[in-house]
Amino acid sequence: LAKTTQPISMDSYEGQEVNITCSHNNIATNDYITWYQQFPSQGPRFIIQGYKTKVTNEVASLFIPADRKSSTLSLPRVSLSDTAVYYCLVGDRDTGGFKTIFGAGTRLFVKA
Amino acid sequence: DTAVSQTPKYLVTQMGNDKSIKCEQNLGHDTMYWYKQDSKKFLKIMFSYNNKELIINETVPNRFSPKSPDKAHLNLHINSLELGDSAVYFCASSPLASGDRGDTQYFGPGTRLTVL
Repeated sequence: LAKTTQPISMDSYEGQEVNITCSHNNIATNDYITWYQQFPSQGPRFIIQGYKTKVTNEVASLFIPADRKSSTLSLPRVSLSDTAVYYCLVGDRDTGGFKTIFGAGTRLFVKA
Repeated sequence: DTAVSQTPKYLVTQMGNDKSIKCEQNLGHDTMYWYKQDSKKFLKIMFSYNNKELIINETVPNRFSPKSPDKAHLNLHINSLELGDSAVYFCASSPLASGDRGDTQYFGPGTRLTVL
């Protein structure tokens, strides 16, 4: 099973860049890497997805090295409202078919 | 225009009761899911349906029975509720088959179930 490992928590200050790294040593050749954000009392929300190298959107950037065994979510100039749990996922396949597995996530706390 | 909606938002009930949670998506997606998030915040997939067909059943007790009357709806019925069923249940939908490469899931707001 392709599992992910992330830091349990991180602290940052407003205006700083935050980088959250996720390890996925058993990622399958065709799996994508997806990141979600979850605020308290809400469902997870898609942030960004990538396969290799770098992906950027209006919210974040995703850096994926050539071996794809890890990925780094980069949040530029965080604000207090970025305080949330961030989940890294890779597609997972077993006898039941493909499924995505959420890990424990990284709890980011942004301070003023 | 809520993309994925769930009802009720809160559900408080006694042990042994039977309850249902409803989910609807207006995104035209083919795949829908149920997740359970416990007090430790782990989000675990329970079921996945693709075009009304069960694709994934993650060793969930038989007391949990999903029903998909059409591809826009996936309801969750729980029999004989137990204390350990207390959690937040999230419905989600995605345009691709379960866990396909590049899949993006859209989550509902969650239903907080409390079993007393």
